[in-house]
Amino acid sequence: SYELTQPPSVSVSPGQTARITCSGDALPKKYAYWYQQKSGQAPVLVIYEDNKRLSGIPERFSGSSSGTMATLTINGAQVEDEADYYCYSRDSSGVFGGGTKLTVL
Amino acid sequence: EVQLVESGGGLVQPGGSLTLSCAASGFIFSDSAMHWVRQASGKGLEWVGRIRNKANNYATEYAASVKGRFTISRDESKNTAYLQMNSLKIEDTAVYYCTRVLVLPFDCWGQGTPVTVSS
Repeated sequence: SYELTQPPSVSVSPGQTARITCSGDALPKKYAYWYQQKSGQAPVLVIYEDNKRLSGIPERFSGSSSGTMATLTINGAQVEDEADYYCYSRDSSGVFGGGTKLTVL
Repeated sequence: EVQLVESGGGLVQPGGSLTLSCAASGFIFSDSAMHWVRQASGKGLEWVGRIRNKANNYATEYAASVKGRFTISRDESKNTAYLQMNSLKIEDTAVYYCTRVLVLPFDCWGQGTPVTVSS
């Protein structure tokens, strides 16, 4: 099986751009998906197939992928965006990245 | 409204067994693959396993950490998926979520059910 590697934490001030990366050897061949998990809640899919935003997700969320790295970008991060973010790459089974804690303060 | 509701969590001794249920509503359950994902306290998401739909022969697959101990099944007549857990270990303590793959992976999750393995 393969692995997806994320930074443990990212911190930005409100209104700044937050970038969360996800690296893995499978990413050139597989789409990346991003999930947001706020404290005490179940995860929510925010970005699918590298760069598509799910309905209802704010436009400040975007995704990109190049080579072995996928990136979740939050333009003008808000306090309410503070959460854990997980990348996932679709295969016959499942592999999640280790998660990145985004702090906005 | 698309909904997944887990139940069956609780406290169990090491070596014991527990069966979790995931009741689905608001979508065509028979079209979906159903997955289980767990999360230990303060840790990340860990994929546990999945069962595909009838068209894919209800094929199952499991994470190495649970293979041979956990079994996923489904009952189409009840729109319910199950996670049977045997030979439980302390390290199986986690919140267990069920989630689906229909068109997109994991676009709907249950609220989770906690499992504590302790003597």
